[in-house]
Amino acid sequence: EAGVAQSPRYKIIEKRQSVAFWCNPISGHATLYWYQQILGQGPKLLIQFQNNGVVDDSQLPKDRFSAERLKGVDSTLKIQPAKLEDSAVYLCASSLGDFNDGKLFFGSGTQLSVL
Amino acid sequence: AQSVTQLGSHVSVSEGALVLLRCNYSSSVPPYLFWYVQYPNQGLQLLLKYTTGATLVKGINGFEAEFKKSETSFHLTKPSAHMSDAAEYFCAVSGNSGYALNFGKGTSLLVTP
Repeated sequence: EAGVAQSPRYKIIEKRQSVAFWCNPISGHATLYWYQQILGQGPKLLIQFQNNGVVDDSQLPKDRFSAERLKGVDSTLKIQPAKLEDSAVYLCASSLGDFNDGKLFFGSGTQLSVL
Repeated sequence: AQSVTQLGSHVSVSEGALVLLRCNYSSSVPPYLFWYVQYPNQGLQLLLKYTTGATLVKGINGFEAEFKKSETSFHLTKPSAHMSDAAEYFCAVSGNSGYALNFGKGTSLLVTP
């Protein structure tokens, strides 16, 4: 089966610019996550969707980050304006939503460099 | 909130030697625990998980982990390291939402000939 697709693979921008990342989860997966992975650290959850509703966005910096999953399938994460500290790999993951499985499928990520 | 601490950011073993990667958790409720592996330029993939039941969990590629409530630990082991095991390993615990995972900082495993 096709995995979680993310684009672009790499992105370089200057601070104060805006950027958007796209994710297409595995077909049929109700739950979609965006994680931020800063170099040398573990992934940190930014936002979790169940279908097209937000389950948890407590760690999303809402003054500059936004995310949507309008039709309950693919999702977009946006940063506007970007700061130097936003340099990281942005990972998208999906799961069936049944926590007894607890298995997340991750995409390869988008590596963002803010100069 | 549930959290995990991985002891040792870098671990080096010889090929054929025992692999031991340490993870301790903090949780006010019975945790669900996971180990994920990240190979260079690839996404994270699940190695194994503990939810309920048997405390010794076997995963892919010969890895296993044991849930020890008395020690609040979930260490990852493999009897004999292979060169292909070189990767970044992340321990994770179920978060407050029930589905999302809280990850540790990761341990980089180096396997030498």
